[in-house]
This record gives sequence, structure tokens and C-alpha cells, in this order.
Amino acid sequence: DVVLTQTPVSLLISLGGQASISCRSSQSLVHSNGNTYLHWYLQKPGQSPQLLIYQVSNRFSGIPDRFSGSGSGTDFTLKISRVEPEDLGVYYCLQRTHNPPTFGAGTKLELK
Amino acid sequence: EIQLQESGPGLVKPSQSLSLTCSVTGYTITSGYDWSWIRKFPGNKMEWMGYISYSGSTNYNPSLKSRISITRDTSKNQFFLQLNSVTTEDTATYYCARATTYWGQGTLVTVSS
Repeated sequence: DVVLTQTPVSLLISLGGQASISCRSSQSLVHSNGNTYLHWYLQKPGQSPQLLIYQVSNRFSGIPDRFSGSGSGTDFTLKISRVEPEDLGVYYCLQRTHNPPTFGAGTKLELK
Repeated sequence: EIQLQESGPGLVKPSQSLSLTCSVTGYTITSGYDWSWIRKFPGNKMEWMGYISYSGSTNYNPSLKSRISITRDTSKNQFFLQLNSVTTEDTATYYCARATTYWGQGTLVTVSS
């Protein structure tokens, strides 16, 4: 299975600050069709995961532009600018390029 | 607006089978996409378990292949998870999802005698 290594495990960020989360894959996530199926989710306390970014850099419907995704191949990054209280929770990366789909271990974002 | 809702027993005994239902509203499960089951273990670890496609084909995580079955009832717009021979390690919150885009709220299943 593809292993996604997510760092850091936790982040302490001040309101209005910027957060950066890394997701590194054990193998390239470029599909044979040329697409890269690396997605980012946020699970807020008591809620189910919500899709933030799909295919590396595309914001899902309703997601503010404070969230941005980048990367290619095996290295990917989620950036959150101007952190707000509703951004707190656990962030996950997910790859669907290879079967079975696999998740990163999660990054917990907390307020400093 | 699509909504998914998991239901089923919250407590299952070891060696028994875990059975969950995902009821879908706002979208017909035969119209498109794959329909997944995903679980989150105590702590943060997430595991994709498998899916049934809109056409009825299935794809399972090899780690579960001998124990898992995903089926559907198209007349009720529902799909189901059955996991056999459960152990305490199957204690988790179980989610159903459409193509890992839209998720249900999740249901906690505890395996304990």
C-alpha cells in the first residue's frame, strides 16, 4: 500500500497566522491518466471529514481561498492562511491514485 | 443536497458480524460514483474499507478482503457493510461516503463482549 507521511503531527497557530502541512507519498501519485488524486480533508471536532482540496490544488465548493494546495509527484503541501477558529481540527491527506486508497495519519491544528 | 446517514448496532460481540446501513437522500446511488465505507480508529488513523460502484461492482481493501461484503438495495437507495469475524480491533467510527467527497456523520461501533 502507498504510505502517506504527514507532518507535523500537531500545529499550534495564532489566530490570523499561517499553517503549512506536508504530505509525502512512498510512491508517485501521478495516475496513468495524468491526473494526481491527492486530496485534503478537515475533520472538525464532532463532525465527519469535509473535503477541502481535490486533485492537489482544486478547492472544493464553498472552501475559502485561505486554503491552498500544491505539490506534485510525491510531495504535497496544504497551506492555511489567516487561520480562523473554525479551521481547528484534524487535517488529513488521502490518495486515490493507487488501490487501496490510503490516508495520512493526520495533523491536529490547535490555537496558540 | 445529497445526504448520507449510517445506522446499525453500536455494540457487537467478538467473532460476530458487524452490519451497517447507509441511507442516501438527494442522489440516486445508481446514477454515478462509487459508494464507500471508511472507518476511523480510536486515535486518528483512517482506513478506506471498500466501495460499491453505481453499476454494482465492488472493490475491497485487500487487508479486509476475506471478511468484508458491500451490497446495496437500489429500491431503497441504500448500501450496506458487512464485516465478519470482528475483533476488538474493529472498534471504530464507521462512515459511508460518496466517492470520499460527501460523508455521513459516522456511527461508532464498539466490539466487546
